[in-house]
Amino acid sequence: RKEVEQDPGPFNVPEGATVAFNCTYSNSASQSFFWYRQDCRKEPKLLMSVYSSGNEDGRFTAQLNRASQYISLLIRDSKLSDSATYLCVVNNDYKLSFGAGTTVTVRA
Amino acid sequence: NAGVMQNPRHLVRRRGQEARLRCSPMKGHSHVYWYRQLPEEGLKFMVYLQKENIIDESGMPKERFSAEFPKEGPSILRIQQVVRGDSAAYFCASSPRQNSGNTIYFGEGSWLTVV
Repeated sequence: RKEVEQDPGPFNVPEGATVAFNCTYSNSASQSFFWYRQDCRKEPKLLMSVYSSGNEDGRFTAQLNRASQYISLLIRDSKLSDSATYLCVVNNDYKLSFGAGTTVTVRA
Repeated sequence: NAGVMQNPRHLVRRRGQEARLRCSPMKGHSHVYWYRQLPEEGLKFMVYLQKENIIDESGMPKERFSAEFPKEGPSILRIQQVVRGDSAAYFCASSPRQNSGNTIYFGEGSWLTVV
């Protein structure tokens, strides 16, 4: 079983739409959780940390459910520039475990 | 604004040759991590090094792969006798102390193609 599983998508949405997706993780002892963004043939970049209480960063909202071991990301008012692959990432000590990514394409 | 520097960015090797990937961490960072991303897969942890020490190499294939981070100079990931399955993006990351999740910064990656 993979440590982090994500729906690969793709999610193809019009500008201004809301898109949401999630991931599940297998290690209940995981310590911290993140969403990263990766553009084609680029390095992953930290989008935001994820907390059980839920947190927002502008148009992005992330949520962690420790009991069910899933993490969600919601993007409101999608922009063309949001087109990317979103990586669900779980940290255990110093090791990051990455999901394979969810591809989002925002169309004009 | 010198981030994590990796070179070469793109490398083509024939089967059986050696590949050497270099990583210079951000200034002030003494912890280096290597990750590999195979096509259509997530990044996978390979190795964690501090200056002159390998802390954790549990993600490294048992044969042909080695890593070092000498006192002076960049960290090196070395792949001997490359095979087609080694074709991947290799990302280096660094942190100022042991990574706690959000203190890690990635380089732009080295894309290895084995022909």
